[in-house]
Amino acid sequence: DAKTTQPPSMDCAEGRAANLPCNHSTISGNEYVYWYRQIHSQGPQYIIHGLKNNETNEMASLIITEDRKSSTLILPHATLRDTAVYYCIVRVNVGRDDKIIFGKGTRLHILP
Amino acid sequence: NAGVTQTPKFQVLKTGQSMTLQCAQDMNHEYMSWYRQDPGMGLRLIHYSVGAGITDQGEVPNGYNVSRSTTEDFPLRLLSAAPSQTSVYFCASSLSLGQQETQYFGPGTRLLVL
Repeated sequence: DAKTTQPPSMDCAEGRAANLPCNHSTISGNEYVYWYRQIHSQGPQYIIHGLKNNETNEMASLIITEDRKSSTLILPHATLRDTAVYYCIVRVNVGRDDKIIFGKGTRLHILP
Repeated sequence: NAGVTQTPKFQVLKTGQSMTLQCAQDMNHEYMSWYRQDPGMGLRLIHYSVGAGITDQGEVPNGYNVSRSTTEDFPLRLLSAAPSQTSVYFCASSLSLGQQETQYFGPGTRLLVL
């Protein structure tokens, strides 16, 4: 089972910041949080990942709470092209068992 | 680099037929995996491989076989297709087991089993 919980869907107005929450209350100290998105029927696309510090790249920012039990992906200026399903993943890495398990994700609708 | 390539893009099978979904990557990635995605659902891990000669089961391995004879290729075999295997199949690869490595996904193979 996925180790993360996300709302099934969210709306955001074009040009505004989209804030996508994720709960991962059972995360272990050495597990990273990854975010991917899937646009229409394409393969998932990597967005960002982090361990405990906040991270930012050209696509998004990742805010991880101090207790690491939740995180928020921020798309600073959402566009219609950001309409996608967003997956929050906790990377399980136990020896050879580096399974990347996807949950159901959040379907983000950007409204014009 | 072509990245992760998958063939075929579409396939229709009859129940009981066998086929192999091909996956190849030219990035010298050690880690490769197969996922299936049913309509309206997230991706479920079928099998994965941490390197040539090594494969392991994921969440939903039944009905599928894999092998990893080379670093580049990771084919997925359906020995006797069933309608329940109608899905979109994604192959992915990453450089290593390390948690810092991101996965790159192929474009997917859409399979319909009648």
